[in-house]
Amino acid sequence: SAVISQKPSRDICQRGTSLTIQCQVDSQVTMMFWYRQQPGQSLTLIATANQGSEATYESGFVIDKFPISRPNLTFSTLTVSNMSPEDSSIYLCSARQGGTDTQYFGPGTRLTVL
Amino acid sequence: SQQGEEDPQALSIQEGENATMNCSYKTSINNLQWYRQNSGRGLVHLILIRSNEREKHSGRLRVTLDTSKKSSSLLITASRAADTASYFCATELNSGGSNYKLTFGKGTLLTVNP
Repeated sequence: SAVISQKPSRDICQRGTSLTIQCQVDSQVTMMFWYRQQPGQSLTLIATANQGSEATYESGFVIDKFPISRPNLTFSTLTVSNMSPEDSSIYLCSARQGGTDTQYFGPGTRLTVL
Repeated sequence: SQQGEEDPQALSIQEGENATMNCSYKTSINNLQWYRQNSGRGLVHLILIRSNEREKHSGRLRVTLDTSKKSSSLLITASRAADTASYFCATELNSGGSNYKLTFGKGTLLTVNP
């Protein structure tokens, strides 16, 4: 299985600022993804992080608000830009392991925007 | 719209009883994965079942898949208080190409009373 770590685990931020979340996988994986889980809700896919190219965003999510990088096969970052209280959520990184097709998730980053 | 829908939304049982959660989906899938989430933390992968499989077991967990009815069930036998968590099903759609994103259901909150 793949072990995924995220930093920070939680943060409290002021409106209008930006936060970058880091995701590290302990083995090479084929695909990495970023999800959002709003309070009391299920998970919604933000984007697929593509290595060396622009991320693929889902409907309702845009690059200016959620810029994503993936410089190599095991690392990705998600930035939440110009934050508002509506961005308060848990942000989760996941990675799909080729061969098993299993998607593993990181522990999440709990973001609170004041 | 959500691909997966869990049923029931909440389930409360006594320790030692079995818990059954159901998941329905709408379109053709590659696989279906079940996850557990404890109190807003990261997701723990439980079982992956492929579209050509009908049943899988892992310890006290049993998952079934009925592609004709587009439904899956997760059975936890001899439940323990530590099984208290939210359980999500997630489907990987069979859309061809390299689109491996997961679509999550709303989840079932399982409470196991000691």
